Amino acid sequence: DADVTQTPRNRITKTGKRIMLECSQTKGHDRMYWYRQDPGLGLRLIYYSFDVKDINKGEISDGYSVSRQAQAKFSLSLESAIPNQTALYFCATSYSGKETQYFGPGTRLLVL
Amino acid sequence: GESVGLHLPTLSVQEGDNSIINCAYSNSASDYFIWYKQESGKGPQFIIDIRSNMDKRQGQRVTVLLNKTVKHLSLQIAATQPGDSAVYFCAESVSGTYKYIFGTGTRLKVLA
Repeated sequence: DADVTQTPRNRITKTGKRIMLECSQTKGHDRMYWYRQDPGLGLRLIYYSFDVKDINKGEISDGYSVSRQAQAKFSLSLESAIPNQTALYFCATSYSGKETQYFGPGTRLLVL
Repeated sequence: GESVGLHLPTLSVQEGDNSIINCAYSNSASDYFIWYKQESGKGPQFIIDIRSNMDKRQGQRVTVLLNKTVKHLSLQIAATQPGDSAVYFCAESVSGTYKYIFGTGTRLKVLA
């Protein structure tokens, strides 16, 4: 969905490095989410934010942190990357009061 | 934990035929369900959703059926086209929580 953009689209990094994945949206949604997708598993929620001052842990938040810089921007950081964080990462947005989440194109991350 | 369609089967259909993709859910409290389509290298794309007060909902060439008795959801695609080739997965949610449980999906292959 072009209304939700993620940068970078692909990233290779080394164990121990700190990296940041960024998400921006022009949908005007107040809620934003970060998920990871691994082969054979469904999408799993890392963090979510219902507004700029609201940050919540998802089911797999260990090793990750987030920052909601503005309503339209939500970034995900890996403080010290490890190989099992190799995955596809998706940002999603939704509007308060509406259930539907809309996803960005994803970031493919490889940790060596 | 609760799960939604953990296996990733493959469904092959002839172009022009109808496709039926199934999904089992396990949380009896879930009352909102959504189908996504994910093409290779792209983020999940919203297809159709349904609430538990309905048992059928139709969109353009797609129909979602919900059977709450057996906790089963299906997506029917009419006159399947090559562009329908993708992974399809369902998600369930309890209204107000804005948290989804995702299945791993079904790969749909359309044969020419």
